[in-house]
Amino acid sequence: KAGVTQTPRYLIKTRGQQVTLSCSPISGHRSVSWYQQTPGQGLQFLFEYFSETQRNKGNFPGRFSGRQFSNSRSEMNVSTLELGDSALYLCASRLEETQYFGPGTRLLVL
Amino acid sequence: QKEVEQDPGPLSVPEGAIVSLNCTYSNSAFQYFMWYRQYSRKGPELLMYTYSSGNKEDGRFTAQVDKSSKYISLFIRDSQPSDSATYLCAMKNAGNTPLVFGKGTRLSVIA
Repeated sequence: KAGVTQTPRYLIKTRGQQVTLSCSPISGHRSVSWYQQTPGQGLQFLFEYFSETQRNKGNFPGRFSGRQFSNSRSEMNVSTLELGDSALYLCASRLEETQYFGPGTRLLVL
Repeated sequence: QKEVEQDPGPLSVPEGAIVSLNCTYSNSAFQYFMWYRQYSRKGPELLMYTYSSGNKEDGRFTAQVDKSSKYISLFIRDSQPSDSATYLCAMKNAGNTPLVFGKGTRLSVIA
């Protein structure tokens, strides 16, 4: 089975722009979670989608949003980018209690 | 107090050593405990998964959970340079709840 895929792998944006990241889960997995990883804060939960519905949400501002499509693929969007949004954004595909991560999208905001 | 505490290291050991990595937590409702390994510029890779208290062994890796002390450990026997990575502990409640991660311990195994 193919693993979790994320696109793009690298992005450079400037402050004020918006960005959309994409994630395709492992085939058959219906739950997708998004995390932000920074050296200072570690891995922080953004949100989880299951069957096209947001099931959990972390403590991030409304500039961070996501959605899930009927084929379980998910996108997350960050609007009005800030310098502090520079991070590795990880998507995880969930089966029961275990999560499997993709390689991440590294976002640099200048 | 953070929900999950993990010493960031770095931890440097010689090849062949036994490595002990640890996390403490404050939420007694956590029931599922995981260890992930993350190489530089890669996503975390699931290493070990344990439900509730006890030990679990997989090759050179042993995971231990002590719920009474709110303490989990990962032991690596006969460590190899290829084990050099950041190790993240993660845990969660039952049901549709998110994983809570430690900040990770950076391990270097020197040949």
